[in-house]
Amino acid sequence: GQSLEQPSEVTAVEGAIVQINCTYQTSGFYGLSWYQQHDGGAPTFLSYNALDGLEETGRFSSFLSRSDSYGYLLLQELQMKDSASYFCAVRDGAGTALIFGKGTTLSVSS
Amino acid sequence: GAVVSQHPSWVICKSGTSVKIECRSLDFQATTMFWYRQFPKQSLMLMATSNEGSKATYEQGVEKDKFLINHASLTLSTLTVTSAHPEDSSFYICSAREGARSYNEQFFGPGTRLTVL
Repeated sequence: GQSLEQPSEVTAVEGAIVQINCTYQTSGFYGLSWYQQHDGGAPTFLSYNALDGLEETGRFSSFLSRSDSYGYLLLQELQMKDSASYFCAVRDGAGTALIFGKGTTLSVSS
Repeated sequence: GAVVSQHPSWVICKSGTSVKIECRSLDFQATTMFWYRQFPKQSLMLMATSNEGSKATYEQGVEKDKFLINHASLTLSTLTVTSAHPEDSSFYICSAREGARSYNEQFFGPGTRLTVL
């Protein structure tokens, strides 16, 4: 089976930087993904790490350390619209379904 | 590209009725589709995996006779909630994978909000 741990809530102000951590346990490992979900909406893909290191996509970056079974999502220059839930997700088999963590609710205030 | 649609986007029904939710891949062929359920303020929980032309594989604890999944074509999967009850009220989200080309990527539909009265 799989399990993922991430903080339940994070708060920050506009312009700040936030890091959302995720630790995972899986029988196999086929990459760590991050998704954003606004209230009432579907999850949208943010990033994917298959190998160790940092992946940068605009204001968002994601990091993976396979030896530590750990990753994080870094959000920079926070904006109000970044207020949402963020989920880390793993796949333990090639082509199998993503399994999601419980999600981190990010609240950005002005 | 890689658009997944769901229909309906929301539905309200009476207890005891059945509801069918459609999931379509609009611009690619989805060899595999996944169905998730999400209760308020909770995570997405995988219900089942369906491969085109074969029976769905259900996760532990999901009643296959209550949640009927059909994946009859490479662009359409349906989830039927039979004899729905208020505890089945939830946000149902499908996602699709396109064969080997995007082996590590799943494309999500917009979700269907089911309310059972």
